[in-house]
Amino acid sequence: DAGVIQSPRHEVTEMGQEVTLRCKPISGHDYLFWYRQTMMRGLELLIYFNNNVPIDDSGMPEDRFSAKMPNASFSTLKIQPSEPRDSAVYFCASSCLPTQGRDYGYTFGSGTRLTVV
Amino acid sequence: AQSVTQLDSHVSVSEGTPVLLRCNYSSSYSPSLFWYVQHPNKGLQLLLKYTSAATLVKGINGFEAEFKKSETSFHLTKPSAHMSDAAEYFCVVRGGYQKVTFGTGTKLQVIP
Repeated sequence: DAGVIQSPRHEVTEMGQEVTLRCKPISGHDYLFWYRQTMMRGLELLIYFNNNVPIDDSGMPEDRFSAKMPNASFSTLKIQPSEPRDSAVYFCASSCLPTQGRDYGYTFGSGTRLTVV
Repeated sequence: AQSVTQLDSHVSVSEGTPVLLRCNYSSSYSPSLFWYVQHPNKGLQLLLKYTSAATLVKGINGFEAEFKKSETSFHLTKPSAHMSDAAEYFCVVRGGYQKVTFGTGTKLQVIP
């Protein structure tokens, strides 16, 4: 398996523009997570899905952020309109359901470094 | 509820000396515990995990961690630090939920 694949690796955009980040989870994983990492706040969970259904989006900072998972192999995180304070590294991670004594944790993608100027 | 505390935000060691990164957790359930490593400008990589089997867990690159239930600790150790170990390390707990809780991270500096 190629692991969790994120695209693009880097994105530079102007304030006010729409940004779409993409993620392909590991095949067979039931859960998909979007995280944001900044120096100030560290790692923050934005939203997670189970079987393509959003379960908890309480970490999404505001209505400018939205996430979808139209099928088991693809998810997007969209920011519209983008602002300079959205500059961060965005990570996608996937996981399968832990069972008694068997938990493989999360597998992370390489991240998308977003810069909003 | 679950939480994890990494007791040191920065640790500095000389190359060839032992590494100790401390982690304490709390969980209402029997937890799974993980250590992840993040090298500069890279993603997070799983170092090792504890999931209710042997309490001493071996991971990649010579790292180990011991689960101590009585102390609610899961400290990460390595006998001899290498320059390539310089990175940020995250302790993570999952206690019966699908979400994990990350510690705030410990930056390890290795001095030549």
